[in-house]
Amino acid sequence: DQQVKQNSPSLSVQEGRISILNCDYTNSMFDYFLWYKKYPAEGPTFLISISSIKDKNEDGRFTVFLNKSAKHLSLHIVPSQPGDSAVYFCAATGGGNKLTFGTGTQLKVEL
Amino acid sequence: DAGVIQSPRHEVTEMGQEVTLRCKPISGHNSLFWYRQTMMRGLELLIYFNNNVPIDDSGMPEDRFSAKMPNASFSTLKIQPSEPRDSAVYFCASSLTLNQPQHFGDGTRLSIL
Repeated sequence: DQQVKQNSPSLSVQEGRISILNCDYTNSMFDYFLWYKKYPAEGPTFLISISSIKDKNEDGRFTVFLNKSAKHLSLHIVPSQPGDSAVYFCAATGGGNKLTFGTGTQLKVEL
Repeated sequence: DAGVIQSPRHEVTEMGQEVTLRCKPISGHNSLFWYRQTMMRGLELLIYFNNNVPIDDSGMPEDRFSAKMPNASFSTLKIQPSEPRDSAVYFCASSLTLNQPQHFGDGTRLSIL
């Protein structure tokens, strides 16, 4: 049972435009959400997180939005840059338990 | 500060051989995780430890897989005997506690011929 879902395996965006990566979850116990970024031949690196007491968290070009009623979160990257091309993983946790990861979305930022 | 260190980076071996993957977590981190990444399933959690104790190994695919953490600075993931379908990238990650952001190693790319 996939508790964290990233339904778009890939996304292509032009440089300078907004990239929106989506993630849905099913477990209502999840209260902390994270995004990871992964380049080829490297391990995932932590990007940004959000607690369920907030609905938005911003860090530079990256903003994560949380809609608890819809059990949905999204990562916005503005403006998108070619160096942002990577696989993005959404992850969630709650109740002191381990992180559960989605299957990832491959973002390609084109010139 | 050194990150999570995995070895080897690449491993190519024949079916039936024993494979041992190694991981050194970040010093002071109490939780350690082993993942497998495939195209079909993304990042799958195989097993995780807290304070060197295995907490959940329900992700380990078969009895051919085993993992140990003899001390706070070292863990191994062993596959015996290995099969071609075990080919994947295996990641180790560590975190301060179970639900804190995890820091990943660069992975071991395993190819079983």
